[in-house]
Amino acid sequence: ETGVTQTPRHLVMGMTNKKSLKCEQHLGHNAMYWYKQSAKKPLELMFVYSLEERVENNSVPSRFSPECPNSSHLFLHLHTLQPEDSALYLCASSQDIRGDQPQHFGDGTRLSIL
Amino acid sequence: DAKTTQPNSMESNEEEPVHLPCNHSTISGTDYIHWYRQLPSQGPEYVIHGLTSNVNNRMASLAIAEDRKSSTLILHRATLRDAAVYYCILRDRVISTSGTYKYIFGTGTRLKVLA
Repeated sequence: ETGVTQTPRHLVMGMTNKKSLKCEQHLGHNAMYWYKQSAKKPLELMFVYSLEERVENNSVPSRFSPECPNSSHLFLHLHTLQPEDSALYLCASSQDIRGDQPQHFGDGTRLSIL
Repeated sequence: DAKTTQPNSMESNEEEPVHLPCNHSTISGTDYIHWYRQLPSQGPEYVIHGLTSNVNNRMASLAIAEDRKSSTLILHRATLRDAAVYYCILRDRVISTSGTYKYIFGTGTRLKVLA
């Protein structure tokens, strides 16, 4: 399944660094999502984009900044992160935001904050 | 909070059928029931979804109770590759004007397949 591709797969960064996570989908979908999966916790929705417009920010701290330049690409810009931000960050896409159709997930970026 | 309830873990022998239950007593009339699974070191993978009728695809079958308050994911012949965490999910409406719905993931059922 290569529908949703995330890069990098692994990232180690210090608390003062700035980095970006990238997600790309080739499925022709109009909705894209960022999720966070911490150890032994359920997936948490972070952001939802529909047709390149952000429609949901699930109380995410401002040190996480999403960007959706077009319907195929989604970025998550990171700056001054905290150790508790270490997690697996997952991107997903779906045909639309109505929740009737499946979401397709990438394999995630494993982020470690030193 | 997740709108579904699943057992934390289950075990199955290889080549035998597996029935993974899910309770969703607060389901609304228009909510689809979605099942995903997550293998180690991978993102969640779509398995199947349905509304009212039982559904079959190449991966699994979904049996939905007549009152829709519960469902069962059926793997007809479990293999070692089916060992994963299985999530049963309903959509939840986002509190916004966009008509956006989201999934709320619970902790799922960890399926162990014994050789």
